[in-house]
Amino acid sequence: AQTVTQSQPEMSVQEAETVTLSCTYDTSESDYYLFWYKQPPSRQMILVIRQEAYKQQNATENRFSVNFQKAAKSFSLKISDSQLGDAAMYFCAYRKIQNTDKLIFGTGTRLQVFP
Amino acid sequence: DAMVIQNPRYQVTQFGKPVTLSCSQTLNHNVMYWYQQKSSQAPKLLFHYYDKDFNNEADTPDNFQSRRPNTSFCFLDIRSPGLGDAAMYLCATSSRGMNTEAFFGQGTRLTVV
Repeated sequence: AQTVTQSQPEMSVQEAETVTLSCTYDTSESDYYLFWYKQPPSRQMILVIRQEAYKQQNATENRFSVNFQKAAKSFSLKISDSQLGDAAMYFCAYRKIQNTDKLIFGTGTRLQVFP
Repeated sequence: DAMVIQNPRYQVTQFGKPVTLSCSQTLNHNVMYWYQQKSSQAPKLLFHYYDKDFNNEADTPDNFQSRRPNTSFCFLDIRSPGLGDAAMYLCATSSRGMNTEAFFGQGTRLTVV
């Protein structure tokens, strides 16, 4: 069975600085998707960034980028130039590529951003 | 505009009294999910619909049921809520296919008294 582990329950960063959130996963599949979702307080979860396992290039979305290490089964999220609005719970998630719709989440990392 | 809408945002129910949570979507997605999220825990999939096909997770208690009368609506029924069922319930939708993301509602926080 696939599992997703986030070992940092809480992280903090100063505004304009860079922070990295860690995620590891376990799977026997060779192709799959990985996601980072953001859940602000009292608001819905939204997709931050996604990575296809068959792509070697790390995904980037503006200030958000990932470090995908397939052999190590590691998928970290880097937030550059942190903003107060980045404060939220961040969930790492895994999904198989075909014939399944199931997202498997990690336990989340609460990110605090200080001015 | 909200695309996945959950009602109510907050629900208080009595121990053992049936309760229904609702979810609607304007995205015309063919997959709808219900997740249970307890404090400081990962969202846990209860079940999902692919069109009218119901897919129950093996460890979802029988106390939880779901209905999807049409593409736009999906309901979560808890037949006899216990104190352990207090949680945030998240509805999400997606369009089956490659590389598709899930869109989430704001959730319904259920309190059992």
